[in-house]
Amino acid sequence: EIVMTQSPATLSVSPGERATLSCRASQSVSSNLAWYQQKPGQAPRLLIYGASTRATGIPARFSGSGSGTEFTLTISSLQSEDFAAYYCQQYNNWPLTFGGGTKVEIK
Amino acid sequence: QVQLQESGPGLVKPSETLSLTCTVSGGSVSSASYYWSWIRQPPGKGLEWIGYIYYSGSTIYNPSLQSRVTISVDTSKNQFSLKLNSVTAADTAVYFCARGRSTVTPWGQGTLVTVSS
Repeated sequence: EIVMTQSPATLSVSPGERATLSCRASQSVSSNLAWYQQKPGQAPRLLIYGASTRATGIPARFSGSGSGTEFTLTISSLQSEDFAAYYCQQYNNWPLTFGGGTKVEIK
Repeated sequence: QVQLQESGPGLVKPSETLSLTCTVSGGSVSSASYYWSWIRQPPGKGLEWIGYIYYSGSTIYNPSLQSRVTISVDTSKNQFSLKLNSVTAADTAVYFCARGRSTVTPWGQGTLVTVSS
């Protein structure tokens, strides 16, 4: 099973600032990497797939990069609605696995 | 647009079987384009993929749960279902149904299932 490790566990950011979230895979997943946003009490929402392609309706301030084992999600200018938990997920190998998440909180 | 809704008991006794159903609206489980998944999230923890099913009935399960899980589809009701047997407290989680087998979107709102006597 591929282990996905996210860092940091918590990220404190002021509104309007940039947030950079990291995700590392225990072995290469090529570009088969997705990012999800989850707000308290809600289901996750797909943000990014293919490591860098935004899902339908996702604002341009969200961008993804990386391939192989190292990936990054960047939120260019945090809005109030962006404070949430973010999960990476690999779909290169079964079982599909998620990272432990990064919580983005208001500084 | 497609919407998914989980339903089933919120409390299950240890050693018994957890049974949940996902009803799909605005789309069809019989679509050849999509697979249908179950994913769970223990309280305060991360996400675990349970498995997925195709309208034909073909399934794939997470090896960690394979011996206890069954996912089935009822195309006449536009539903798919999850059964997890011999549950323990470790199976307490919010259970989500979702569309897809690599990336998943959309998701149901999730339903909390607590395993307790």
